[in-house]
Amino acid sequence: DAGITQSPRHKVTETGTPVTLRCHQTENHRYMYWYRQDPGHGLRLIHYSYGVKDTDKGEVSDGYSVSRSKTEDFLLTLESATSSQTSVYFCAISEAGIDAEAFFGQGTRLTVV
Amino acid sequence: RKEVEQDPGPFNVPEGATVAFNCTYSNSASQSFFWYRQDCRKEPKLLMSVYSSGNEDGRFTAQLNRASQYISLLIRDSKLSDSATYLCGLSGGSNYKLTFGKGTLLTVNP
Repeated sequence: DAGITQSPRHKVTETGTPVTLRCHQTENHRYMYWYRQDPGHGLRLIHYSYGVKDTDKGEVSDGYSVSRSKTEDFLLTLESATSSQTSVYFCAISEAGIDAEAFFGQGTRLTVV
Repeated sequence: RKEVEQDPGPFNVPEGATVAFNCTYSNSASQSFFWYRQDCRKEPKLLMSVYSSGNEDGRFTAQLNRASQYISLLIRDSKLSDSATYLCGLSGGSNYKLTFGKGTLLTVNP
């Protein structure tokens, strides 16, 4: 299995609090992605990174920020969590190049109450 | 228009059936295409990449039609173990943005 770890795996937090999810890889892959998955919506891209300090928005980036200060870590921050951000969050990594396979972390189940 | 549109499903088929999934995409500059499989409460895993010439892996056949901007996945002789959600994905652009369809749930019944 690819070396990708998400932490925490489960979290319950209160509305209005900041939350940071961490994605850590040991594969030295250039590309890293954050998705959320909700029933009826599939995997929706939040933000992604194409290198250290290089990030871009996905389709559902409002309310989220990311940082990548080193190759192995990609952090997703909810500045002020809302109930609509209750979801399962997946991180993925990919090597550079066409047809490069993406590997997913095991997911973080976040509940905002 | 969403970047990737996928058959909503769900699909319920008997063992041994042939089932096909389709996805359409809007960005003609997309470069790489994939089918992922996701089991319940698990992370998605690559089933197969989709090449322009079409490709086959056992009971699974993937096709790409760039002119019509769709990809397809055909599963022959369905097994109970094929029950899962199937997601189409594509990437492209200079930064390899990777996006997915909503997924189609397949249930294979005995």
